[in-house]
Amino acid sequence: ETGVTQSPTHLIKTRGQQVTLRCSSQSGHNTVSWYQQALGQGPQFIFQYYREEENGRGNFPPRFSGLQFPNYSSELNVNALELDDSALYLCASSSRDNSPLHFGNGTRLTVT
Amino acid sequence: AQSVTQLDSQVPVFEEAPVELRCNYSSSVSVYLFWYVQYPNQGLQLLLKYLSGSTLVKGINGFEAEFNKSQTSFHLRKPSVHISDTAEYFCAKNRRGTGGFKTIFGAGTRLFVKA
Repeated sequence: ETGVTQSPTHLIKTRGQQVTLRCSSQSGHNTVSWYQQALGQGPQFIFQYYREEENGRGNFPPRFSGLQFPNYSSELNVNALELDDSALYLCASSSRDNSPLHFGNGTRLTVT
Repeated sequence: AQSVTQLDSQVPVFEEAPVELRCNYSSSVSVYLFWYVQYPNQGLQLLLKYLSGSTLVKGINGFEAEFNKSQTSFHLRKPSVHISDTAEYFCAKNRRGTGGFKTIFGAGTRLFVKA
């Protein structure tokens, strides 16, 4: 059973730039959720994808966008980066039912 | 709004002592609760879950939690902690919305086990 993998592990960007983060979901899972975890805080829900469509969104601006591909892998894109976007970005996969999330180890994004 | 409140930001405890990490949730018709653990530089791992049935839930690494509907609580307990239990612990709740379930997390409790 292949777990959730995220790339890259670390990334440094400059304010105003754009970034793409990638996630491969666990085999057998068709739903991917993205979370932002600022230092010392709990994960905040960004959005969820199911069958290549956005399936719910948290309180994040439109410059946060995503994609899900036919193999259920996913991307998170952030445009016009701001300093406050510095955080650990976590991807989690799950079945569509009420099952627990399986997390990757995250991508640490630093915006300078 | 749906919410999860973890009452303690940090809990220091000596090795082999018991520990309780407190969690309260906002009430709803259906309640699905989880505890996750996060070790440094890693993602979150599931410790245990409550979906229905027995209110005492046993998880991995000797942890257990009790679902208390009247007090809207889901506290995590371990009778004897080890140094290796030092980590961040998150209480979480699934909420049903259009398109399925979404998981919301508390702010976390840092458990620090001292020798």
